[in-house]
Amino acid sequence: EVQLVESGGGLVQPGRSLKLSCLASGFTFSNYGMNWIRQAPGKGLEWVASISSSSSYIYYADTVKGRFTISRDNAKNTLYLQMTSLRSEDTALYYCAREGLTTEGIKGDWFAYWGQGTLVTVSS
Amino acid sequence: DIVLTQSPALAVSLGQRATISCRASQSVSISRYNLMHWYQQKPGQQPKLLIYRASNLASGIPARFSGSGSGTDFTLTINPVQADDIATYYCQQSRESPPTFGGGTKLELK
Repeated sequence: EVQLVESGGGLVQPGRSLKLSCLASGFTFSNYGMNWIRQAPGKGLEWVASISSSSSYIYYADTVKGRFTISRDNAKNTLYLQMTSLRSEDTALYYCAREGLTTEGIKGDWFAYWGQGTLVTVSS
Repeated sequence: DIVLTQSPALAVSLGQRATISCRASQSVSISRYNLMHWYQQKPGQQPKLLIYRASNLASGIPARFSGSGSGTDFTLTINPVQADDIATYYCQQSRESPPTFGGGTKLELK
């Protein structure tokens, strides 16, 4: 069974930093691209960042570029999101999500599995 | 960025058909691939993949869910609607980066 468990969220002051983690199990982590997606309270979904299986390709939303860093440790089956210069508008539930796979075994840019999320609140 | 537009809410009766639409600001299809995907999110839960590439049912999803469409217009159909289907439904495109989501359609009971 695929499991993704996020941690590291909490209350942080504006301008400070926070690092999120996502521990993966139930699949070969090193074979899949991973993503961070966030949801502000009562709002919709916003893609934040993605990283390919070998970390060769990394992409960010414009809203976080230059402030957030996505990374992974395939030996530890763990995905990370280092967040710096946090703003009130970064307040959200942060989900990690695995890329999809067709029945023919072809990977695709949809989000097949999601963790339960970790809440980040940026407030003074 | 590609903007996806969904109606905010849809009221439906149990046992009836629900049709949820998603319109993209530009085509999200490449050759035979329609790069639109659908998710279900219940209150307090993470989103769950229902449909990928417009019409492919994700693993473990009941056959009463189906998807269709191409180009800029896509539809998620639930037939018949069951009480467990009351949730918010999001479309998502992967035609261009950044991947974007629709604003969500909240399925409500009539």
